[in-house]
This record gives sequence, C-alpha cells and structure tokens, in this order.
Amino acid sequence: AAGVIQSPRHLIKEKRETATLKCYPIPRHDTVYWYQQGPGQDPQFLISFYEKMQSDKGSIPDRFSAQQFSDYHSELNMSSLELGDSALYFCASSSIGTALDSGANVLTFGAGSRLTVL
Amino acid sequence: KNQVEQSPQSLIILEGKNCTLQCNYTVSPFSNLRWYKQDTGRGPVSLTIMTFSENTKSNGRYTATLDADTKQSSLHITASQLSDSASYICVVSGASYIPTFGRGTSLIVHP
Repeated sequence: AAGVIQSPRHLIKEKRETATLKCYPIPRHDTVYWYQQGPGQDPQFLISFYEKMQSDKGSIPDRFSAQQFSDYHSELNMSSLELGDSALYFCASSSIGTALDSGANVLTFGAGSRLTVL
Repeated sequence: KNQVEQSPQSLIILEGKNCTLQCNYTVSPFSNLRWYKQDTGRGPVSLTIMTFSENTKSNGRYTATLDADTKQSSLHITASQLSDSASYICVVSGASYIPTFGRGTSLIVHP
C-alpha cells in the first residue's frame, strides 16, 4: 500500500541557506501535518493543512512557511537556516472523512526528512 | 523493525460511556511512550508521557497504563464527552528519542 512519501530523506545545508522539504500524502488524504523533532527531544507540531488551507499552527518559526498544493502534496520552506533547525521533520496525512468512514482521521506518518545545518 | 500498533482503528461510543484504546509496540530500546489527542485538522496535544518505570499516569479523565514487559499501553477515557471526539496517537520513543508513531485511533462520541 502507498505510504506517505517525504523527500529528501537527508539534507545538509549551511547556515543562512534555505531548504525545502516535500511531503506526498496517501492518495485521497486531504489533511497534512508537519512535525519537527530536535536531537533528544519529543516531536513538536509545526503546522497543518486541510483542503489546501492552513488549519492549525504550532511552534513554527517565522522563517518557515508551508503550503499544500492542488494535488494535496505539501512543502515546508525554511529560510535563513540556523544550527538549531537541525532536526528530523515528519509529515503525516489523514482523511477527514465522515463518522461512517472507518478510515477517517487515521494518521499515517512518513519516514521523516533529516535536516543537518552546518 | 520498530513498530507501534494501535487498536481499534476507529471507535464510536455514546456520551458518558468509558472506553479503552490499545497500543502495542516493538520499539527497542525504549525511552518513553506518549499519548496525544489530535482534533481533526489541528495539532496534537500531549495527554501523558510515561517512562519505563511508570505503570499508570492520569490526566483528568484520561488514564494511561504501561506494561514494559509485554510492551503494551492503554489509554482509558472515563465518562466520555462530545469534545473527546478526536484521533488518539501513541508515540513510542526509542534510542536517541527517535519516535515511532502509531496510526492513531479515531474516536467518535455521539450524544
């Protein structure tokens, strides 16, 4: 079965550079979530999108932006990278569905993208 | 391979009833286990975090249990409310606190 695809899996950048992470949700999933996990820390929620609109915002820095496109894939753009941005970035997708849909709101996580800022 | 399996996948209950969600994991070594509540389209909210030595932890009407020997955890919700309708995600952290996510249980509470 298709899973959530994240790319790239690994990325190395210099300070003050920009980086873009991509997330391709499971087909027919309409909601995407982004999480950041720093070394030795628990995952932190960054931002979510439902039907291409931002639905919630967590601890996402102003230097970061994200969007969900018409094909439901999402991109997380990070600018002016700092050493502290080095982390694993997870994406998850789900389908809102209806109360009768047994698969509704079941999250599937991608394998993550590891960003290293030097 | 580290895995976190949650059951049931979805659950519908009547308001005021109790329910129990299950989480089985194969993550090793084990650092901690968290239960999150995630409203549809919103960010997750941490309910409980448990380490190896903890068996039970409560947060209001939510009570989590952990059996590190059998690698099982449960989240018990007492006297359910309509606002409990959400996804409940079990996240188990292993070496270097790298998390393995369960797919969540979708809970719907009907009046």
